[in-house]
Amino acid sequence: EPEVTQTPSHQVTQMGQEVILRCVPISNHLYFYWYRQILGQKVEFLVSFYNNEISEKSEIFDDQFSVERPDGSNFTLKIRSTKLEDSAMYFCASSGRGRGSYEQYFGPGTRLTVT
Amino acid sequence: GQQVMQIPQYQHVQEGEDFTTYCNSSTTLSNIQWYKQRPGGHPVFLIQLVKSGEVKKQKRLTFQFGEAKKNSSLHITATQTTDVGTYFCANEKLTFGTGTRLTIIP
Repeated sequence: EPEVTQTPSHQVTQMGQEVILRCVPISNHLYFYWYRQILGQKVEFLVSFYNNEISEKSEIFDDQFSVERPDGSNFTLKIRSTKLEDSAMYFCASSGRGRGSYEQYFGPGTRLTVT
Repeated sequence: GQQVMQIPQYQHVQEGEDFTTYCNSSTTLSNIQWYKQRPGGHPVFLIQLVKSGEVKKQKRLTFQFGEAKKNSSLHITATQTTDVGTYFCANEKLTFGTGTRLTIIP
């Protein structure tokens, strides 16, 4: 069964450093998403990406965040200058159709720890 | 902004008992999705409801969409230990609910 993969599984970084979280969506999917989940809290939408551009983003997704699809398979989330409050689990997801209209497949997540 | 609330926040049940979680939206929804997240795991899509009053079943799970399309419920009959996890609803804008964490007492 196809699956979304994410690397690394755990990233530890110092405050102020840049991090790049990587995702490989399911190969024939067209819509890609990033979410975050602070420990014990709900899943929060960050951004959706389609046709090589951001289609929607939440208030959380400020200028410190960026996304990119550098090649035909990877989808990355960059945090330019990490803050302590960026510590969370970051999930990538992909779907065959647009936002909120079709099932999304989530990756296993990257746990980001900012010290 | 849109808010999606779920109750209860936690539910502890004896194995074999039923479980229900409720999802309420501040606005009318075009659709609603349900996800399950096992402890330490990632969200897994369960179902999407689209029509007013729609009821869908998946084995022991029954999903319902309210007539006004502002609320939804997930009911599990005769819970099993494999049902442990947090159940989230999400609206069409991918705003997730606060979740209901289900624990099972064997």
